[in-house]
Amino acid sequence: SQQGEEDPQALSIQEGENATMNCSYKTSINNLQWYRQNSGRGLVHLILIRSNEREKHSGRLRVTLDTSKKSSSLLITASRAADTASYFCATVSGSNYKLTFGKGTLLTVNP
Amino acid sequence: GAGVSQSPSNKVTEKGKDVELRCDPISGHTALYWYRQSLGQGLEFLIYFQGNSAPDKSGLPSDRFSAERTGGSVSTLTIQRTQQEDSAVYLCASRAQGLSEQFFGPGTRLTVL
Repeated sequence: SQQGEEDPQALSIQEGENATMNCSYKTSINNLQWYRQNSGRGLVHLILIRSNEREKHSGRLRVTLDTSKKSSSLLITASRAADTASYFCATVSGSNYKLTFGKGTLLTVNP
Repeated sequence: GAGVSQSPSNKVTEKGKDVELRCDPISGHTALYWYRQSLGQGLEFLIYFQGNSAPDKSGLPSDRFSAERTGGSVSTLTIQRTQQEDSAVYLCASRAQGLSEQFFGPGTRLTVL
């Protein structure tokens, strides 16, 4: 079952602009992760934020987490055409570390 | 070392046939997961292995679906008597002990005619 919603479902921007994607979830979590998927195949882990963290950075990525609102956002700064992909948030709630995914945001970065 | 590999990359089968999907995890990763991605249902968890045992099979959609893992390494997902609604991309992921990040394979795209 899906954990929650991501918005927007699709986002189209120009190269150099920033892209912000949001994710909401329903249950308490251990951590929240963001994954990227190209062409509907394998997912690549981007960044993980623990439930006791509020913000994390990795290169051009910035993730925030608000556990009181059960929401997270992913910001990609200075976007590039190569950032074009689908982005999914996924929560981890139990000891088996299984991922519960949101529905994803399709990001298109136009050159 | 190598990443997670899956085979076949694509599988087309007829309704009612059985299929086997294979996953080779990253060497040394004790945890292995199967997920399914379809247009209607998004990304769904199917089953989790720790070593050779499967403590969480809660995502398997019916008793036509089964999976095993041998030698703490390779896993096979078997779908019996395939139905058209089984058409999806089946993704395998592995995880190192004590870490939360999962490494995904490229997936197997299953089409049931």
